[in-house]
Amino acid sequence: GAGVSQSPSNKVTEKGKDVELRCDPISGHTALYWYRQRLGQGLEFLIYFQGNSAPDKSGLPSDRFSAERTGESVSTLTIQRTQQEDSAVYLCASSSLKAGNTIYFGEGSWLTVV
Amino acid sequence: AQSVTQPDIHITVSEGASLELRCNYSYGATPYLFWYVQSPGQGLQLLLKYFSGDTLVQGIKGFEAEFKRSQSSFNLRKPSVHWSDAAEYFCAVGSLYNNNDMRFGAGTRLTVKP
Repeated sequence: GAGVSQSPSNKVTEKGKDVELRCDPISGHTALYWYRQRLGQGLEFLIYFQGNSAPDKSGLPSDRFSAERTGESVSTLTIQRTQQEDSAVYLCASSSLKAGNTIYFGEGSWLTVV
Repeated sequence: AQSVTQPDIHITVSEGASLELRCNYSYGATPYLFWYVQSPGQGLQLLLKYFSGDTLVQGIKGFEAEFKRSQSSFNLRKPSVHWSDAAEYFCAVGSLYNNNDMRFGAGTRLTVKP
């Protein structure tokens, strides 16, 4: 697509439930990133995909967090047994060496755990 | 390890006044530097970037930034601020060839007084 698309844009969930956040990167972008931004905070790196593989998962905060990417396109970030501390904006971004490797961001998925 | 410091958490300027947002970085190789802007409830939009060449780079919305290797700085400037510039500004450092190393500063929130 023309830009990075994320869904849902807003999600309110009960503590203990699982949530899935979806990211559609810019068409042809091989690299995909997930960041977390808590209210009033900076960006926290979560995970990076090159193609469908994730060479860097170092930012995932716990084993409740996982992500996958298929077809070198769509990615899903899954949070299991959500906790209130998971409330944040989850930002997806993509880039391509062919496009100068600039990272372009989606508008984020706002997650609130109640 | 690479890191980015934005010393000012919050800056207030009057509309029409000049603006400078500070960014200092630590990076072992030639840095790839970015400034992004985030309006309330929005994702991050790229303002400008620097990798090589002229150390003064021009971006969108009338912003510019100057790379100073000796000071490890990449400060963002605008000669005359508009009310619509009120937002959160993030500086980032990475590598042209290894974007999973990209790291963001904590952000500077800009308030514009009428």
